[in-house]
Amino acid sequence: AQKVTQAQTEISVVEKEDVTLDCVYETRDTTYYLFWYKQPPSGELVFLIRRNSFDEQNEISGRYSWNFQKSTSSFNFTITASQVVDSAVYFCALSGSSNTGKLIFGQGTTLQVKP
Amino acid sequence: SQTIHQWPATLVQPVGSPLSLECTVEGTSNPNLYWYRQAAGRGLQLLFYSVGIGQISSEVPQNLSASRPQDRQFILSSKKLLLSDSGFYLCALERDRGRGAQYFGPGTRLTVL
Repeated sequence: AQKVTQAQTEISVVEKEDVTLDCVYETRDTTYYLFWYKQPPSGELVFLIRRNSFDEQNEISGRYSWNFQKSTSSFNFTITASQVVDSAVYFCALSGSSNTGKLIFGQGTTLQVKP
Repeated sequence: SQTIHQWPATLVQPVGSPLSLECTVEGTSNPNLYWYRQAAGRGLQLLFYSVGIGQISSEVPQNLSASRPQDRQFILSSKKLLLSDSGFYLCALERDRGRGAQYFGPGTRLTVL
């Protein structure tokens, strides 16, 4: 069975602090994809990143960075110098080769960035 | 680039009434399409997906159904709504078949009273 766990339900930080959102996944597939989505108060899910299981290179995009570690089945997301606009619910998701593209989502982490 | 439209944006329906939510996409052909539901304060649950016209796969047994009458149209329906059908319904389009990276529409917020 495939599963994604986001143990942090809510995180509150003050603007300019760094924050890391944790994601742990379970799958028996050797080929799989991991994702992060942002859901602002408007509700629409915004795609942030996709990584495949064969690429463990960490990725940085502006203030966002992702740390993929197969050894611990984790795909953590760090926001550097957080801003109020980063306040949202963040979802980690998994798609395995046995799932033909279907996404398994974690329960989400609500991030509140206070000014 | 692809665009996903959903309507209505919000809907309030009584228990036992029918439902029809529509999703249409632009800028692509023969996409994989998905319906997800997000209950209040919870994660997203996949309801249906479609790999082509008339091809529907159901993930969760329930009183909902889906149809794909046209390549770029995906409809979610119910004959009789339940209270538990309340939630935020999201249509998604998959780029790169089989590799995820789904792009989501603006959603429909359904309240069943």
